[in-house]
Amino acid sequence: GAVVSQHPSWVICKSGTSVKIECRSLDFQATTMFWYRQFPKQSLMLMATSNEGSKATYEQGVEKDKFLINHASLTLSTLTVTSAHPEDSSFYICSARPLRTSGLLKGETQYFGPGTRLLVL
Amino acid sequence: EDQVTQSPEALRLQEGESSSLNCSYTVSGLRGLFWYRQDPGKGPEFLFTLYSAGEEKEKERLKATLTKKESFLHITAPKPEDSATYLCAVSGGSNYKLTFGKGTLLTVNP
Repeated sequence: GAVVSQHPSWVICKSGTSVKIECRSLDFQATTMFWYRQFPKQSLMLMATSNEGSKATYEQGVEKDKFLINHASLTLSTLTVTSAHPEDSSFYICSARPLRTSGLLKGETQYFGPGTRLLVL
Repeated sequence: EDQVTQSPEALRLQEGESSSLNCSYTVSGLRGLFWYRQDPGKGPEFLFTLYSAGEEKEKERLKATLTKKESFLHITAPKPEDSATYLCAVSGGSNYKLTFGKGTLLTVNP
């Protein structure tokens, strides 16, 4: 249980293009999904929190027009990096918090996806 | 503001040499303390959630404990495959956001 997938796992794009990253909870419904960014040898930095059917809440310093988040269902959230530039190159990781506690699945716990490596040339 | 400090930053062990990782925290209204393992180039893998002081959880060679100010991750007779970065995080108050420590990079030599 608690499987979260991300697609794609890596992407290379040209400067100025937009890139969409999908995050899916495969075996549970997620009331909340989170998007993180991680730089080499650093810990995770929270970018935004999204709840199904409502607007995402962005952390201070994160440009909401640059990083568009859509949480269309209880199992899918997307992050779109618009007009990507080389400084947006990073490792993007999503997590999902279960709608309810069930068996080994805990409602307070975030379960993470495998990450997406973005390289903008 | 929630804060998490992990020590040491890096730890090198010989296979079979037991040790502990430390996570000191300050949080308003602890909702949970979480331990994750992260391998290079991958997302964090969930290990444990601890909710209150005195709680302990075990999984294979790992045991996590919690006091009101810190948590320990004990590694008994580690193997090379236990090599990874171990992350500690807390969630407090009315939201479910996590505050992460910087992690401990564990290397277990055969």
